[in-house]
Amino acid sequence: GAVVSQHPSRVICKSGTSVKIECRSLDFQATTMFWYRQFPKKSLMLMATSNEGSKATYEQGVEKDKFLINHASLTLSTLTVTSAHPEDSSFYICSARKNYEQYFGPGTRLTVT
Amino acid sequence: RKEVEQDPGPFNVPEGATVAFNCTYSNSASQSFFWYRQDCRKEPKLLMSVYSSGNEDGRFTAQLNRASQYISLLIRDSKLSDSATYLCVVNRRSGNTPLVFGKGTRLSVIA
Repeated sequence: GAVVSQHPSRVICKSGTSVKIECRSLDFQATTMFWYRQFPKKSLMLMATSNEGSKATYEQGVEKDKFLINHASLTLSTLTVTSAHPEDSSFYICSARKNYEQYFGPGTRLTVT
Repeated sequence: RKEVEQDPGPFNVPEGATVAFNCTYSNSASQSFFWYRQDCRKEPKLLMSVYSSGNEDGRFTAQLNRASQYISLLIRDSKLSDSATYLCVVNRRSGNTPLVFGKGTRLSVIA
């Protein structure tokens, strides 16, 4: 069964609005979760590392004020895309480590019109 | 230079064929190595870890050469269901650290 869930699986929003994506670890605690983004026919690119109870660590080139990450509990991290633009349209995937394996959520496909 | 580089593909092979994918990584301090499989519009899923001694899982064989910073995946007796994108993945450090993905190699197995 699923180890990591994401919600929503698909979202279409208008330019300028904000979108929140949830990532949950199921039946285990994840002090660290990772957020990736994948454009069509491109590799997964790490955006940020989400740390429970502290600030997220962002990769170079990722705007922390645009991609807000909150890891308020040991099973939930959220990514908010603020003031979304069409170029933010992408596949957003989170992951968490359980035992020795990293599991990925099913992804959220964001389309900004 | 990208941290993880793979054959660009696509590979179009008939059923039953043997196909090999190659990958190189640039960070010599990398600790762990994996092959993931990603189906179209889905999340990646772990296919197998890669160990220095080489390891096999059914029709799949993975090899690692730390000196050359080279990883390979061999698929024997290809099935239609093997059609997917294969991602070479490296973990920079041990522990709970993010994975670094190659761009992936697309495989199409044809009947």
